[in-house]
Amino acid sequence: GAGVSQSPRYKVAKRGQDVALRCDPISGHVSLFWYQQALGQGPEFLTYFQNEAQLDKSGLPSDRFFAERPEGSVSTLKIQRTQQEDSAVYLCASSFLAGDEQFFGPGTRLTVL
Amino acid sequence: EDQVTQSPEALRLQEGESSSLNCSYTVSGLRGLFWYRQDPGKGPEFLFTLYSAGEEKEKERLKATLTKKESFLHITAPKPEDSATYLCAVQEESNYQLIWGAGTKLIIKP
Repeated sequence: GAGVSQSPRYKVAKRGQDVALRCDPISGHVSLFWYQQALGQGPEFLTYFQNEAQLDKSGLPSDRFFAERPEGSVSTLKIQRTQQEDSAVYLCASSFLAGDEQFFGPGTRLTVL
Repeated sequence: EDQVTQSPEALRLQEGESSSLNCSYTVSGLRGLFWYRQDPGKGPEFLFTLYSAGEEKEKERLKATLTKKESFLHITAPKPEDSATYLCAVQEESNYQLIWGAGTKLIIKP
């Protein structure tokens, strides 16, 4: 079956631009997570959804970061007024239940110039 | 503060040379410890979940073990295709986010 997909795979933005990153989770998975991964580091948690409800957004680094999952399936991570420090790989993961193993997409590599 | 520390940062082995990777953690209450493999340019690939001290899981040349303070990923007779970064993550009882180590980059030379 299809795994987690993310688009675009690569995004280059000029500083100050807004970007939107999309995640299509595995069908039927209730939980969806966003992580940020800097080069050579492990991922860092950003936010978590259970169906359409955003239950934890404690990892979002600033109010420029916003995530939504309006129908409980596809999710979008939006970054407003991008800064150079936002450059990273953004990973999306889904799981059937919140405590289950998480399955990851390939990530979106964001480069802010 | 919850922490996950992996060692070594990098490990070079000859094909067939067995070794172990370490993941030490401090959390207030452990829901589960996860091992993932990550290849360059790809997302982490799930390997194992361990829930309680003394638990062991195996998959091909990999075996994961768990104590109250650390986990080991043992690799037996590795092959070049086992080369990857191995990541360890913990999930607390109080929430569902994964807290990650920085990974061990494993290189298996033929």
